[in-house]
Amino acid sequence: AQKITQTQPGMFVQEKEAVTLDCTYDTSDPSYGLFWYKQPSSGEMIFLIYQGSYDQQNATEGRYSLNFQKARKSANLVISASQLGDSAMYFCAMREGRTGGFKTIFGAGTRLFVKA
Amino acid sequence: SAVISQKPSRDICQRGTSLTIQCQVDSQVTMMFWYRQQPGQSLTLIATANQGSEATYESGFVIDKFPISRPNLTFSTLTVSNMSPEDSSIYLCSVEIGRTQGTEAFFGQGTRLTVV
Repeated sequence: AQKITQTQPGMFVQEKEAVTLDCTYDTSDPSYGLFWYKQPSSGEMIFLIYQGSYDQQNATEGRYSLNFQKARKSANLVISASQLGDSAMYFCAMREGRTGGFKTIFGAGTRLFVKA
Repeated sequence: SAVISQKPSRDICQRGTSLTIQCQVDSQVTMMFWYRQQPGQSLTLIATANQGSEATYESGFVIDKFPISRPNLTFSTLTVSNMSPEDSSIYLCSVEIGRTQGTEAFFGQGTRLTVV
């Protein structure tokens, strides 16, 4: 079964508008962390935002916010005021514990295209 | 924060040879993670490298094929052994740093490997 699901292979957004990238996850571990990363065409992985399973408030980092709905097991990324430089691949990831440490699993990714 | 220096950034190798990838972190970290990103795919965790103990490998990855060293808290190497064209991928190292607001993850620049 998929642990991390990103159902949008590609998304288009007009410059200066907001966009939501979907992510759902599946875990039975009560303690877990959720990450969003950006990967531009250059290939580097850029950390955007983190949400812990026990965090009471939704995480925010500048123009990025995470819409964390624990009961629905969703962790959607909201990018406000899109910029052309936001065009990239976006990955959702989940870290869950296991014996001896923890493991991070990545979703398939969503490619975002920002139109001028 | 953390800065990770990963090298080489890219290489073209003959099948049957081996390549060692190095990651240097500018701070001490307990765990370092090695990922593979096949063309057009998401990231897959290869192994977790702990200082002072053997690396923990994920299903489908074995030590003979991907030996890992972790001689101290700031450095790790991943070797891709007896390479075949199927090993052509981007290989990335990563660390996670805890902070008051949560966890932040950092990646090396990646090693783009082509096996011919």
